[in-house]
Amino acid sequence: DIQMTQSPSSVSASVGDRVTITCRASQGIANWLAWYQQKPGKAPKLLISSASTLQSGVPSRFSGSGFGTDFTLIISSLQPEDFATYYCQQANNLFTFGPGTKVDIK
Amino acid sequence: EVQLLESGGGLVQPGGSLRLSCATSGFTFSTYAMSWVRQAPGKGLEWISVIYGGDSRTYYADSVRGRLTISRDISKNTLYLQMNSLRADDTAVYYCAKHESLQSFLDSWGQGTLVTVSS
Repeated sequence: DIQMTQSPSSVSASVGDRVTITCRASQGIANWLAWYQQKPGKAPKLLISSASTLQSGVPSRFSGSGFGTDFTLIISSLQPEDFATYYCQQANNLFTFGPGTKVDIK
Repeated sequence: EVQLLESGGGLVQPGGSLRLSCATSGFTFSTYAMSWVRQAPGKGLEWISVIYGGDSRTYYADSVRGRLTISRDISKNTLYLQMNSLRADDTAVYYCAKHESLQSFLDSWGQGTLVTVSS
């Protein structure tokens, strides 16, 4: 089974800050990686697929990169609506989610 | 517009059974892979099962294999999750989700249905 880790587990940030979240797979997954955003009481929303492909309608302040085992989600200028929990998910061998990174207000 | 609507959640005793349904619309149901993902209270997301479009291959997470069964009725555009031998640690919100065309990532989600396993 492929295990996913994320760091940090939580981050406190202010509006306008640049936020970086990392995700690591226990083995190489090429670019079979997605990022999701989840707000309290809501279903997750797909932000980025194939490590770096921004989904339609997702603001360009979100970007993803990486290949193999190490991946990054960057929010270039944090907006009030971005306070949420972010999950990575591998799809190289079935599916596994990372434990999540909570972005909250400093 | 893609729509997914789960139902069937509720309170069940340990060892009991429950069947969840996910009614879908807005896409060709038979073509796309569909998954169930759950989230225990205050915890992260856990993928638990997938059924692929076309050949209907199914796969399960180790935590549920042998107790949960995913299926679909193409004539009704509905996905199911039969849950047997339920345990307290199965308590969670259960989401159905549609895979995108690569069958890898989950591009549409239902609102979720809560299953509580307790005596």
